[in-house]
Amino acid sequence: AQSVAQPEDQVNVAEGNPLTVKCTYSVSGNPYLFWYVQYPNRGLQFLLKYITGDNLVKGSYGFEAEFNKSQTSFHLKKPSALVSDSALYFCAVRDGQAAGNKLTFGGGTRVLVKP
Amino acid sequence: DGGITQSPKYLFRKEGQNVTLSCEQNLNHDAMYWYRQDPGQGLRLIYYSQIVNDFQKGDIAEGYSVSREKKESFPLTVTSAQKNPTAFYLCASSRTGTSGRADYEQYFGPGTRLTVT
Repeated sequence: AQSVAQPEDQVNVAEGNPLTVKCTYSVSGNPYLFWYVQYPNRGLQFLLKYITGDNLVKGSYGFEAEFNKSQTSFHLKKPSALVSDSALYFCAVRDGQAAGNKLTFGGGTRVLVKP
Repeated sequence: DGGITQSPKYLFRKEGQNVTLSCEQNLNHDAMYWYRQDPGQGLRLIYYSQIVNDFQKGDIAEGYSVSREKKESFPLTVTSAQKNPTAFYLCASSRTGTSGRADYEQYFGPGTRLTVT
């Protein structure tokens, strides 16, 4: 079984400040981890993924995420948030040892960046 | 939203009617997926297909049906048996590796908002 949790429903941050969106996961095998962003009434856009290798993954729009195996976490970060980063963010996981490409999504975290 | 189109963007139906949502992709992806999104619940997998003429139930398949007759198309039918069909429906596609790799990201369409009254 695989699961993912996003403990914060909403994150508020001032423009220019660092942004962190938290994600923890649970899988039986090796985790494949993904972050997506969704703007209102739109589909999801892929930001970045961790499969193997360096624990710090860099993605689109200045976002990065750090894989921490001991804490089973994959937090999304951005050093300096923009108002345009305000959106709904989803973390997703799949078990690397399971067949198929079935993702499990977290409940989402709404990010509000204030000017 | 990449090369995935969903139509229509908004759909209204009366209770008891079946309705089919369209999903087309031009990314040459083998795998396609249907998700349902409700407020505060994230995305839940309805059906997925790894290859033409084959599909599997996801976590909430009851009241839904799909077909995969062409690589490019994966329509979803919401039947009258679905008890609470009003939701935002998202279609996605991804590559699949020849050696069973499944680390490819999924690409999403713009979604269809279905309202049943």
